[in-house]
Amino acid sequence: DIQMTQSPSSLSASVRDRVTITCRASQSISSYLNWYQQKPGKAPKLLIYAASSLQSGVPSRFSGSGSGTDFTLTINSLQPEDFATYYCQQSYSTPRTFGQGTKVEIK
Amino acid sequence: QVQLQESGPGLVKPSETLSLTCTVSGGAISSYYWSWIRQPPGKGLEWIGYIYNSGSTNYNPSLKSRVTISVDTSKNQFSLKLSSVTAADTAVYYCSRVGAVIVPAAIRGNYYYMDVWGKGTTVTVSS
Repeated sequence: DIQMTQSPSSLSASVRDRVTITCRASQSISSYLNWYQQKPGKAPKLLIYAASSLQSGVPSRFSGSGSGTDFTLTINSLQPEDFATYYCQQSYSTPRTFGQGTKVEIK
Repeated sequence: QVQLQESGPGLVKPSETLSLTCTVSGGAISSYYWSWIRQPPGKGLEWIGYIYNSGSTNYNPSLKSRVTISVDTSKNQFSLKLSSVTAADTAVYYCSRVGAVIVPAAIRGNYYYMDVWGKGTTVTVSS
């Protein structure tokens, strides 16, 4: 199985901060990487697919980059509604695997 | 737009079979893959498996011996059965649609992602 490791596991940030979350795959996965946002008690929501493509309806302050084994999710100008847990997920092979999550909290 | 709704018992006894159904509304179940994912309390997401409308399946090896995913295109539903459950199977269970970007030249073919999710249903395994 491909292991996905996110860092940090949690972070504290203020509104309007720029936030960066990283995800590392245990082997090269090309651009087969998706990012999800999950709020407490809610289902995950797709933000980014294919490493850098913004899902329809997702604000442009979210962006993704990377290829191979190292990927980044960036949130420019963090908004109050962005405080949540973020997961990366590889779609290079089965079983699909997720990172352990990064919780973004209010400073 | 497409919506998904999970349904099934919220309490299952140890050693019994967990059975859930996902009803797809607002769109046809054909031409897509459909997935089940679960999340134990306070933990991360675990992919259980997927099914195509043709009935072809792919399961997580960690659960493969106990999992069956099936589809009923006439009802626009797909289902999950997990046998011999234990307390470790207590989780929120989500169903999702698997979207795709078709890229013929990509090294692994299409890019797949879970773009529509149900709200989730909590299943507790307890006697």
